[in-house]
This record gives sequence, structure tokens and C-alpha cells, in this order.
Amino acid sequence: GAVVSQHPSRVICKSGTSVKIECRSLDFQATTMFWYRQFPKQSLMLMATSNEGSKATYEQGVEKDKFLINHASLTLSTLTVTSAHPEDSSFYICSALAGGPQETQYFGPGTRLLVL
Amino acid sequence: KNEVEQSPQNLTAQEGEFITINCSYSVGISALHWLQQHPGGGIVSLFMLSSGKKKHGRLIATINIQEKHSSLHITASHPRDSAVYICAASDMDSNYQLIWGAGTKLIIKP
Repeated sequence: GAVVSQHPSRVICKSGTSVKIECRSLDFQATTMFWYRQFPKQSLMLMATSNEGSKATYEQGVEKDKFLINHASLTLSTLTVTSAHPEDSSFYICSALAGGPQETQYFGPGTRLLVL
Repeated sequence: KNEVEQSPQNLTAQEGEFITINCSYSVGISALHWLQQHPGGGIVSLFMLSSGKKKHGRLIATINIQEKHSSLHITASHPRDSAVYICAASDMDSNYQLIWGAGTKLIIKP
């Protein structure tokens, strides 16, 4: 079946640095990718919808200048957490929407970010 | 009221028991997903359903579109099945964004 990869799977960084997380659809093209985050013991929350070739659509309360999303190609979307703070520590998951009659969605395995 | 509700929130059972986790939704969906999340966070997609029933090994997922309800069953449960199980509805009116249930924490005791 279709595969979505995320890189890195885990990252530890110092406060104030920027971290880039990549989401790739490995064997299909995805015009739309979604980014979610999950705080400990909570459900996943949609951060933004990433559309290839256009600006991402951010959910209310998500700072677009802090969480930069770039969907430069049909197989790659990146999420950059800028000037990371400890409260940004979370689990970030992407999903990619494959075309076809059912608009199948495939999930990346997630990236665990720890900001010290 | 959440658009996707799961029950139970927590479930502890003995090895070998038959497990059922329920998911109800209130939005129009194109598909419903069941996912498994182990400690440490990694997510595995178990099923994507738009109708009927699917089976994979000891896991069975069913969906009733009219009743807007889905169930995940685990037969002959094993301690390695211990995880958080999450259902998520793909909302056809919102560009297929996923609406997530809160998850069910399952513990299978040996």
C-alpha cells in the first residue's frame, strides 16, 4: 500500500533553534497534506492543511509565523518549528491525501520533538 | 459535543478476551480510520472503512453508515495489543480533514 514517511522520527533541540520536519509520500502524489500535533495524553489536533503550490491553511490558534509549512512538490511537505520553545515539545504527524474515488488518506509515523 | 466520540476511554481486560471499541460520529464522512498508537507515539493505520466490514488477522472493523457508528474488535486479545486505539473520521465537507476521537487506552493483562 501507499507509504508516507516522516523525518526525523525523533529530534531534541535547544530552545530558540528551528527544527524542520519532512513529510514525504513515497509512491503517490499528494496535492494535499495535513499536519497534526498531539500533546501528551490528548487527542491529535489539526494544525494546518498544506496544498501543493499554494499557502497552507492554518487552524485557529496556530501561529503561521511559528509553524512554517512548505509544500513545494507533490511528494513533499515540510513543517518548520521556528524559535522552538519547550512548550512546542509534542508529537507531530502528517497525513497525505491520495487521489481517486475515495480520497484515501495515509499517515506518517510521526515525529517526536523535545525542546530543552 | 465532540463530532467523533469513542468509548470506552479506558479498557483493561485479561489475555484472550474479546475486545470491542466503539466510535460514533456526527459529520458526513468519506471514510473512517482506525489507528493504533503505542507508547512513544508511533502511529499505525489499521483500517480505513467506508462501508461494511474489514478483517486483518485478529482485528475486525465494522461500520454502519446509517447509524454513523463503527466498531473495532480484537479477538483472542494479547498483551502486545495494549495500546491506544483511535478512530478518525474523514470529513467530506472539510476537504477530507480528519476529525479525531479521543482514543481508547487498552491494557491487556497476561
